Amino acid sequence: GAVVSQHPSWVICKSGTSVKIECRSLDFQATTMFWYRQFPKQSLMLMATSNEGSKATYEQGVEKDKFLINHASLTLSTLTVTSAHPEDSSFYICSARTQRGYSYEQYFGPGTRLTVT
Amino acid sequence: GENVEQHPSTLSVQEGDSAVIKCTYSDSASNYFPWYKQELGKRPQLIIDIRSNVGEKKDQRIAVTLNKTAKHFSLHITETQPEDSAVYFCAASPGGYQKVTFGTGTKLQVIP
Repeated sequence: GAVVSQHPSWVICKSGTSVKIECRSLDFQATTMFWYRQFPKQSLMLMATSNEGSKATYEQGVEKDKFLINHASLTLSTLTVTSAHPEDSSFYICSARTQRGYSYEQYFGPGTRLTVT
Repeated sequence: GENVEQHPSTLSVQEGDSAVIKCTYSDSASNYFPWYKQELGKRPQLIIDIRSNVGEKKDQRIAVTLNKTAKHFSLHITETQPEDSAVYFCAASPGGYQKVTFGTGTKLQVIP
């Protein structure tokens, strides 16, 4: 149980185009999903927190108009990189949080490697 | 906001030796401290976590300790094996559905 999928696993796009990445919790409901960005040999940097049915909360320095996040249901969140540029090339990872009893757990998707040419 | 610092950034140990990774955090409201293992190109995997009402937790060869007064927590891996080689991230969170802040990572290399 507790499986999170991401699609696509990798994508190459041309500069100026938009790319949508999907994050799904397959066997549980996730009220909250997180989107991270990871550059090579660096840590995971939180981009935004997404709560189902409400607007995402973006971290400082993350452009909300460039990185559009939609959390349409308890099992699906999407990240759209608009007008992508080479500097947006990175590894994007989502995670979904769920409560189990009195505790909560966070599960990561496999990540999406974006390359902008 | 929360700031998590992690040391060392790289760590090489001989197979069978122990490895220790240390983290400090800044937000006294943090009460949940997970540790993740990430292999190259893969997703982070939760390996162990500890909550503020516990000072130490052990799971086979892995143990975590927490000192809330000093705001630091550590990961201990005993009898290291080559498959333990990976990047390890500590993290801190106020809990509930609030965000998790990650440390900068430690690249562990276990030399056979």
